[in-house]
Amino acid sequence: RKEVEQDPGPFNVPEGATVAFNCTYSNSASQSFFWYRQDCRKEPKLLMSVYSSGNEDGRFTAQLNRASQYISLLIRDSKLSDSATYLCVVRRAKGGADGLTFGKGTHLIIQP
Amino acid sequence: ETGVTQTPRHLVMGMTNKKSLKCEQHLGHNAMYWYKQSAKKPLELMFVYNFKEQTENNSVPSRFSPECPNSSHLFLHLHTLQPEDSALYLCASSQDGGRGDTEAFFGQGTRLTVV
Repeated sequence: RKEVEQDPGPFNVPEGATVAFNCTYSNSASQSFFWYRQDCRKEPKLLMSVYSSGNEDGRFTAQLNRASQYISLLIRDSKLSDSATYLCVVRRAKGGADGLTFGKGTHLIIQP
Repeated sequence: ETGVTQTPRHLVMGMTNKKSLKCEQHLGHNAMYWYKQSAKKPLELMFVYNFKEQTENNSVPSRFSPECPNSSHLFLHLHTLQPEDSALYLCASSQDGGRGDTEAFFGQGTRLTVV
């Protein structure tokens, strides 16, 4: 089983719609969770961290279900500029430097 | 302007060549990483350095040799690579103060082609 699994898509969504991505992780020792965004031929950039209680940043809402080892990202009122690949990311250790484990990414295309 | 700078941005090398990738971070972070991104594969962690000490080697072949002379600089020395090593090599840094939930900042990557 892959460490971090995501539906690769592509998700073709009309502008203004709401879209949700899911991600599952296999390592129950994972402690930190993130969504990164990667534009074509660019480096990944942090979109938001994911906290146990769920968190929101503008149009973006992230949720974590530790029991099911499941992370989600909801984008409301999608914009053309939201078109990108969304990477689900987990980190094993709670303290100290530890590499991030990335999913393959979900490709989102917002259509006008 | 990025806080993590990688050079060169593009590199084409033969299988018998020796080359080095360079990464420099201007963020005062204590941890640096090398990742590999191949087509249709997730980003793969290669090496982790914390305070200049290598803390993780993710079963990377010895033809890839990292070097971290200080907390701001990270190199990846390449020799006798194979065509399947062609990929985007990304450097990242983070400030790990013990919570583990700090953001990693990435450089723009070196796109490597082995011929």
